[in-house]
Amino acid sequence: SAVISQKPSRDICQRGTSLTIQCQVDSQVTMMFWYRQQPGQSLTLIATANQGSEATYESGFVIDKFPISRPNLTFSTLTVSNMSPEDSSIYLCSVGNPARQANEAFFGQGTRLTVV
Amino acid sequence: QKEVEQDPGPLSVPEGAIVSLNCTYSNSAFQYFMWYRQYSRKGPELLMYTYSSGNKEDGRFTAQVDKSSKYISLFIRDSQPSDSATYLCAMSEHNFNKFYFGSGTKLNVKP
Repeated sequence: SAVISQKPSRDICQRGTSLTIQCQVDSQVTMMFWYRQQPGQSLTLIATANQGSEATYESGFVIDKFPISRPNLTFSTLTVSNMSPEDSSIYLCSVGNPARQANEAFFGQGTRLTVV
Repeated sequence: QKEVEQDPGPLSVPEGAIVSLNCTYSNSAFQYFMWYRQYSRKGPELLMYTYSSGNKEDGRFTAQVDKSSKYISLFIRDSQPSDSATYLCAMSEHNFNKFYFGSGTKLNVKP
């Protein structure tokens, strides 16, 4: 399995500011995914980040609000821009299984964001 | 209608009980089915992964998929207090495709 380090683990931010979340993987992976997990709700895919190309965003998520970088095969960042209290959530980085390339996703610990 | 429906619980059982967790789905194109366990303040951890219909067993855990009924289950035998967590089902249409998650069932195994 992949080891995924996500930073920060938690943060409390003022509305109107931006937060960048980092995701580091211990092996090279083609696809990295960013999810949001709101309290009591299922994980919702924000976007898929492929190295060397623009991220692909899901319906309801836009690049201006959630810009993503993917500079290499082991690292990605997600920025939550111009935050409002509605952005308070857990944000999770996920990768596929680098050894098997099968349909198995592994997750980081998550970033617990509170916007006040 | 949500793509994946899962009873949020909480489900409380005594230690040693057999636990049954379930999800239903509406998209008949789903072929890959996963169960994740998530402890409080941790990321989800992959437990079981199955392709198409059938059963898969791994230790105390058994995953079942019934595509005709659009219904999947996770059984935990001889449940332990350490099994107390939220269990999420997930599914996708194609390999390495978008995952659709259930909302999770919170399980509490009492000593």
